[in-house]
Amino acid sequence: GENVEQHPSTLSVQEGDSAVIKCTYSDSASNYFPWYKQELGKRPQLIIDIRSNVGEKKDQRIAVTLNKTAKHFSLHITETQPEDSAVYFCAASIKGGGNNDMRFGAGTRLTVKP
Amino acid sequence: ETGVTQTPRHLVMGMTNKKSLKCEQHLGHNAMYWYKQSAKKPLELMFVYSLEERVENNSVPSRFSPECPNSSHLFLHLHTLQPEDSALYLCASSQDEFRIAGGLGEQFFGPGTRLTVL
Repeated sequence: GENVEQHPSTLSVQEGDSAVIKCTYSDSASNYFPWYKQELGKRPQLIIDIRSNVGEKKDQRIAVTLNKTAKHFSLHITETQPEDSAVYFCAASIKGGGNNDMRFGAGTRLTVKP
Repeated sequence: ETGVTQTPRHLVMGMTNKKSLKCEQHLGHNAMYWYKQSAKKPLELMFVYSLEERVENNSVPSRFSPECPNSSHLFLHLHTLQPEDSALYLCASSQDEFRIAGGLGEQFFGPGTRLTVL
């Protein structure tokens, strides 16, 4: 089955710096790669996603890149702010065909210091 | 109430108890899910329902029994749990009937039920 690895497990940056979180996946059939943000005591919420037919997607300060050949994808946050502090999870979804699954990475705890 | 709601928010139970977790989505979505979130472990997808039909059971022990009476409600019935089952149980829903759309889409999560098994 699919296996998603996420690094680093913790990341501390200074306000205004960039943060990069990387994930690798094992199943080349995966075609949907979302990123979720979970603030302390709150539910996970989707912040950005990318499908396998696209190499990069950007939404204001957040971008995701996908390298299908290497089977890895990354989250980039620029001009970080204290409110970006949270746990970020990547995930990989395997398309239908009787195998409907979504596997998550273990999470990255991002701390943005003011 | 909007979005995805879950009750109770906190639950403490003994290993011989029987309890149920409830989830309700007010988004008109066609698919619902149960996840388990344990400390320092990835979110684990437990069950997938699409149009009230269970389409995935990811090797979950039989002491967890889901029920989906309609597309807006999802239950997780618990019995004879173990202390290692203590975790945050998250319900989620997504818009599409994914067997048509292909793959799971954006997950809208509920606030979760914090379960402690003594």
